[in-house]
Amino acid sequence: EAGVTQSPTHLIKTRGQQATLRCSPISGHTSVYWYQQALGLGLQFLLWYDEGEERNRGNFPPRFSGRQFPNYSSELNVNALELEDSALYLCASSLILGTANTEAFFGQGTRLTVV
Amino acid sequence: LAKTTQPISMDSYEGQEVNITCSHNNIATNDYITWYQQFPSQGPRFIIQGYKTKVTNEVASLFIPADRKSSTLSLPRVSLSDTAVYYCLVGVSNYGGATNKLIFGTGTLLAVQP
Repeated sequence: EAGVTQSPTHLIKTRGQQATLRCSPISGHTSVYWYQQALGLGLQFLLWYDEGEERNRGNFPPRFSGRQFPNYSSELNVNALELEDSALYLCASSLILGTANTEAFFGQGTRLTVV
Repeated sequence: LAKTTQPISMDSYEGQEVNITCSHNNIATNDYITWYQQFPSQGPRFIIQGYKTKVTNEVASLFIPADRKSSTLSLPRVSLSDTAVYYCLVGVSNYGGATNKLIFGTGTLLAVQP
């Protein structure tokens, strides 16, 4: 069974541009989570989507946005890129949390570099 | 949202048993405790999850006392490849309230030396 896949693996953009990151969840998973991890730091929660709707959002400015498609894949968009947006962006998927014993599976991430 | 507290870092030697403790004083009745492992530049990987008492799988054991205000991840006979950051998470989402609880703390950096 395929795991969570993210594309691209690496992305280089210049300041002010827009970046689009993509995530395909494990088949059957309806929830998708996005995280930002700057070099040497912890995972900062960005967004949670389930059944096509944004369920929760972390403490990030509005230029970080996303969506979830009918097939449960997801897109993260970062507008007006700033140098400090350079980080590893991780996507995870799970069945909807709320019942016992549900784990989230992570992709390998997209390394975004803003120059 | 239950806040978790873990040591920032721990050192160990190959072959030793390592115990990492996480405090979660505000854990709610429906919350589960989950541990993840993360290697540099990779996504976290699920290790183990429990609700109370003891859970064991092929990788680790999780000890949860009766009051559930803390938990201890036990890694038997660590090797160099166990050097990673270990995260303790508490909670499940409250779907009705749309509250996501898959929030990671700072984690514990375990360094295993030869």
